[in-house]
Amino acid sequence: AQKVTQAQTEISVVEKEDVTLDCVYETRDTTYYLFWYKQPPSGELVFLIRRNSFDEQNEISGRYSWNFQKSTSSFNFTITASQVVDSAVYFCGHSGNTPLVFGKGTRLSVIA
Amino acid sequence: DTGVSQNPRHKITKRGQNVTFRCDPISEHNRLYWYRQTLGQGPEFLTYFQNEAQLEKSRLLSDRFSAERPKGSFSTLEIQRTEQGDSAMYLCASSLAILAGHEQYFGPGTRLTVT
Repeated sequence: AQKVTQAQTEISVVEKEDVTLDCVYETRDTTYYLFWYKQPPSGELVFLIRRNSFDEQNEISGRYSWNFQKSTSSFNFTITASQVVDSAVYFCGHSGNTPLVFGKGTRLSVIA
Repeated sequence: DTGVSQNPRHKITKRGQNVTFRCDPISEHNRLYWYRQTLGQGPEFLTYFQNEAQLEKSRLLSDRFSAERPKGSFSTLEIQRTEQGDSAMYLCASSLAILAGHEQYFGPGTRLTVT
């Protein structure tokens, strides 16, 4: 069965530090998609990125970057020069032949 | 249309009562999903529709849970004979299923408290 593991339950960093959120997945699908969502204190899940299993190119969007490594079944998310507004719970997810499965999330606290 | 909307945002009910939640997806989206999220957990998939067809409902938590999307637009999620364990955030999401894996956009959720 599909499974997504976010081993870091909580991370606390000082503003302007870089931080990496880890995501490891298990799947039997040959074609699948990986996602990251942000859930700020307001509660609404915000889509950040989707990556398909055939595209292992890393992606950068502003201060955000994602490292997809199929060989290690990992899809890690790095925030560069973190800001207080980055404080949120971040969820990694997987979908393929089964509905979207989320990890338990990593709570990131950025301290000014 | 600015996004997925859900009503009510909060619902407090007594154990044994029935509750119904509504979700209005992004207008051009043909897929609609329901999730449940409990404290400290990621969203847990419950069911989804493509247009008015319910394509997956085996993940509904019990036969007390049911969902409808009669005209392929808004959807309702009903919980009958609520139990305290049903207290959670119920999330709705929608997507455009032209390609598999299309990203889902979530609503603000309905927080259910069963007393």
